[in-house]
Amino acid sequence: QKEVEQNSGPLSVPEGAIASLNCTYSDRGSQSFFWYRQYSGKSPELIMFIYSNGDKEDGRFTAQLNKASQYVSLLIRDSQPSDSATYLCAVKGTGGYNKLIFGAGTRLAVHP
Amino acid sequence: DAGVTQSPTHLIKTRGQQVTLRCSPKSGHDTVSWYQQALGQGPQFIFQYYEEEERQRGNFPDRFSGHQFPNYSSELNVNALLLGDSALYLCASSLGGQGTQPQHFGDGTRLSIL
Repeated sequence: QKEVEQNSGPLSVPEGAIASLNCTYSDRGSQSFFWYRQYSGKSPELIMFIYSNGDKEDGRFTAQLNKASQYVSLLIRDSQPSDSATYLCAVKGTGGYNKLIFGAGTRLAVHP
Repeated sequence: DAGVTQSPTHLIKTRGQQVTLRCSPKSGHDTVSWYQQALGQGPQFIFQYYEEEERQRGNFPDRFSGHQFPNYSSELNVNALLLGDSALYLCASSLGGQGTQPQHFGDGTRLSIL
């Protein structure tokens, strides 16, 4: 079992729709969760982080965390073609340090 | 406010050579982590430096080594390069302590081994 799992996609959504990206993790002790966006050929860009169960909203983005189910998701409302990218889910490793464990990413394609 | 800067942007080496990659953290950050990202994969943690010491290491051989300087900048050294070392090398900086702060990435160094 991989430590952080994501569907590779591509997830194709029409412009204006809600894109839902999902991630599961294996370490029940994990406390911090991050979503990064990575355009092709570029480096990851932090877009959201969440530490507590529930929802956290920032503009068009909402991160959702359910520690009991070991599940974290990212919703993108009013999807735009510029949102087309790979979305990486990252989980902070346990042990007090800042090592991030990444999933392989989900490729999102928003079509006009 | 300068973000994380990495150099060089691209590098081409041959098998058996060694390489040094450099990273300057975001202003105010004191912790530097290095990741390797192969094509189509998520970044894999190599190691992390804080207070000039390696404080955590991922599953990478000793050919990968690093250093952090008093100004918090860092170097990643790879010896005896293999074809499989071809990847995007990412540096991320954060504020240390308990490690709850998000990491911010530089633009990366794309290393190609011939």
